[in-house]
Amino acid sequence: KQEVTQIPAALSVPEGENLVLNCSFTDSAIYNLQWFRQDPGKGLTSLLLIQSSQREQTSGRLNASLDKSSGRSTLYIAASQPGDSATYLCAVNDTGRRALTFGSGTRLQVQP
Amino acid sequence: GAVVSQHPSRVICKSGTSVKIECRSLDFQATTMFWYRQFPKQSLMLMATSNEGSKATYEQGVEKDKFLINHASLTLSTLTVTSAHPEDSSFYICSARSAGGLRTGELFFGEGSRLTVL
Repeated sequence: KQEVTQIPAALSVPEGENLVLNCSFTDSAIYNLQWFRQDPGKGLTSLLLIQSSQREQTSGRLNASLDKSSGRSTLYIAASQPGDSATYLCAVNDTGRRALTFGSGTRLQVQP
Repeated sequence: GAVVSQHPSRVICKSGTSVKIECRSLDFQATTMFWYRQFPKQSLMLMATSNEGSKATYEQGVEKDKFLINHASLTLSTLTVTSAHPEDSSFYICSARSAGGLRTGELFFGEGSRLTVL
């Protein structure tokens, strides 16, 4: 059974810092991996999708990398802003299962 | 981007009543939708996979008679919480899988439905 772990569970940084969120998964046979943002009491906003054949994806100040063989992904946020404060969820889509398995998330607080 | 609409966003009901939550894909067809629940400060747990035109597939430990899922069309899935009890209070989120286009395989999520059972 796929298990997804996110480290750290919580992170507080001053505005302007670059930061890295980590995600690891136990079964490397994945179809793709998605990073989401969730604001309190809200649904999920998809940030980046990496297909299993890709190594990274970029969108604005966000960059996500994927190392399938080692079961790891990182989300890099450049020049963090208070508006980036949210919970960031990593989720993997297992080959053949098509449902996402979520990590427990990293709660990010960017201090102005 | 693709939009998934969930309704209602919030619902409060009395214990013993049934509540229906709708999930619609607004600008794409979704042969498969997924229902998750999320307890406070926890991650999302998959409840069931909803397939258009066939019975839903439930995860272990999820009562299919309590959480009725109907996927009546390629754009609509419904989750009915029957005879709701306070322990069913949770945040329910649906997602739909894009069947084609540049973002094939990507999952899009609704805004969630907060259920409170008194």
